[in-house]
Amino acid sequence: QQQVKQSPQSLIVQKGGISIINCAYENTAFDYFPWYQQFPGKGPALLIAIRPDVSEKKEGRFTISFNKSAKQFSLHIMDSQPGDSATYFCAASGDMRFGAGTRLTVKP
Amino acid sequence: ETGVTQTPRHLVMGMTNKKSLKCEQHLGHNAMYWYKQSAKKPLELMFVYSLEERVENNSVPSRFSPECPNSSHLFLHLHTLQPEDSALYLCASSQDGQGAGYGYTFGSGTRLTVV
Repeated sequence: QQQVKQSPQSLIVQKGGISIINCAYENTAFDYFPWYQQFPGKGPALLIAIRPDVSEKKEGRFTISFNKSAKQFSLHIMDSQPGDSATYFCAASGDMRFGAGTRLTVKP
Repeated sequence: ETGVTQTPRHLVMGMTNKKSLKCEQHLGHNAMYWYKQSAKKPLELMFVYSLEERVENNSVPSRFSPECPNSSHLFLHLHTLQPEDSALYLCASSQDGQGAGYGYTFGSGTRLTVV
């Protein structure tokens, strides 16, 4: 049973554009929502995370928007760069559940 | 050395072989995890250890056998695997069980190919 649904599966963005990845969760008991970034040949690395008591968190070019009533959250990458090309996973905890991943390609 | 270290990075084994994957964390975390990552599938949680006790086993076939001798080391013993077991096996650790509130630190994984 997949409790975290992530979309899109893949995303192509031009350099300087905004990349947006969406996730939806089911369990209202989840209280921690991290995003992970994975480069080929590496394990996922924690990128940014949010708790449900805030609606937005920003770290540099990365922003999480959180909508508790809709049980949705999204990752926004501003001024996307080719070095951002990677696979991104959302997750939700309590018991850490991962989305299926989004493969982002940023074209120069 | 810091972080989570997995060895070997690559492993090719026959279906009748027995091999082990090793994971070591230098972060002082209390919980460790094994995940399976296959192409076009979500990360699949296999095993969870908290304070060296197994707290979750997500219906993983018995051909996978975990071992956690102490809070810094985690092994995954493999025997009589099937070709569909070929995947990237990731180890992770967290400060507390289930990563609630702290997130996970992942190793780089072991790329396993069963022939």
